Amino acid sequence: GAVVSQHPSRVICKSGTSVKIECRSLDFQATTMFWYRQFPKQSLMLMATSNEGSKATYEQGVEKDKFLINHASLTLSTLTVTSAHPEDSSFYICSARPGTSGVPTGNEQFFGPGTRLTVL
Amino acid sequence: LAKTTQPISMDSYEGQEVNITCSHNNIATNDYITWYQQFPSQGPRFIIQGYKTKVTNEVASLFIPADRKSSTLSLPRVSLSDTAVYYCLVGKDRGSTLGRLYFGRGTQLTVWP
Repeated sequence: GAVVSQHPSRVICKSGTSVKIECRSLDFQATTMFWYRQFPKQSLMLMATSNEGSKATYEQGVEKDKFLINHASLTLSTLTVTSAHPEDSSFYICSARPGTSGVPTGNEQFFGPGTRLTVL
Repeated sequence: LAKTTQPISMDSYEGQEVNITCSHNNIATNDYITWYQQFPSQGPRFIIQGYKTKVTNEVASLFIPADRKSSTLSLPRVSLSDTAVYYCLVGKDRGSTLGRLYFGRGTQLTVWP
């Protein structure tokens, strides 16, 4: 149990295009999902917190108009990188936190496998 | 949020026990200590979580002294597949407000044959 998937796993796009990344909790309901970005040899950086049915909360320094987050259901959150540029190339990882009525229990978050974005 | 300090890297040989210590001097009363493991190009994986004393699961043990200003992740008899980055995080439990996780630099553990 507690599986989180991401799609696509890898994407290459041209500069100026928009890219959508999906994050799904496959066997539990996630009232909260998180989006991280990780550059090579660096740690994960929290970008935003996504709550089902409400607007995402962005961390300081993260452009909300650049990184659009939608959390339309308890099992799906999407991150859209708008007008992508080469500096947006990174590894994007989502995580999901179970709701109070779901399993598994515990404080841990469950991470997706990540999406490698390369902007040419 | 309590800041954590870990060694940047550690080396070990197969079959040895590895202990990774994390300092968190400013840990709050209701903060938990959680460790994650990350392989290259993968999302982090939860290893273990604790509040005080000792916690053990099928993968690792977590030792937390009484003052809770540090913690030690213990990996028994490591293998090559344990080569990964290990992150120590400190934060409030799921019952509180946001559950955000802020990752530090982590410890790159390399296991040699």
